[in-house]
Amino acid sequence: NAGVTQTPKFQVLKTGQSMTLQCAQDMNHNSMYWYRQDPGMGLRLIYYSASEGTTDKGEVPNGYNVSRLNKREFSLRLESAAPSQTSVYFCASSWEGLYNEQFFGPGTRLTVL
Amino acid sequence: KQEVTQIPAALSVPEGENLVLNCSFTDSAIYNLQWFRQDPGKGLTSLLLIQSSQREQTSGRLNASLDKSSGRSTLYIAASQPGDSATYLCALTGTYGQNFVFGPGTRLSVLP
Repeated sequence: NAGVTQTPKFQVLKTGQSMTLQCAQDMNHNSMYWYRQDPGMGLRLIYYSASEGTTDKGEVPNGYNVSRLNKREFSLRLESAAPSQTSVYFCASSWEGLYNEQFFGPGTRLTVL
Repeated sequence: KQEVTQIPAALSVPEGENLVLNCSFTDSAIYNLQWFRQDPGKGLTSLLLIQSSQREQTSGRLNASLDKSSGRSTLYIAASQPGDSATYLCALTGTYGQNFVFGPGTRLSVLP
């Protein structure tokens, strides 16, 4: 039981490049989330998926897109990376939405030059 | 808008001490509150989840309490150990399903 896994662990991009962050969970959770963590700003919700086939914007969605590929997988895409997107990205999952205990992945550390 | 604060920002204690970490929030209409620990360069590990109808939850040496009327939650750690050194964050969900809001965290150092 791996819990929540994320790939890659580290990534360096140049401004304007695109990339997709992958997340998978093996706990049969319905809901999945993407957060970013920045010094002095704490953790902020980017997008979430309450259930397979649905996605909703969080607090800071600009510059990102998401895909809930199936119940297990939720990806985050940066179409044209900007230095302001340098951050640590965390994926999380829970049984049923924001009312339930959330479990986090190990994070992806992204640097945009 | 819900705001969550955690004081102190950092805390150092000698091994064996009992300690309390604080989490304050401005809107008492919360659904649940969750405590996490985060080790440097790692993800968040869930410690305890308290539903709004509960007053406290316990797991091993950890006890978390919730007082909605005063807008406070505390995390009590008994007999602290160097392995407890980490950043502790609280996060909560509003009654109407607002986004999960995180506090800035308290960085705890337990000295051998």
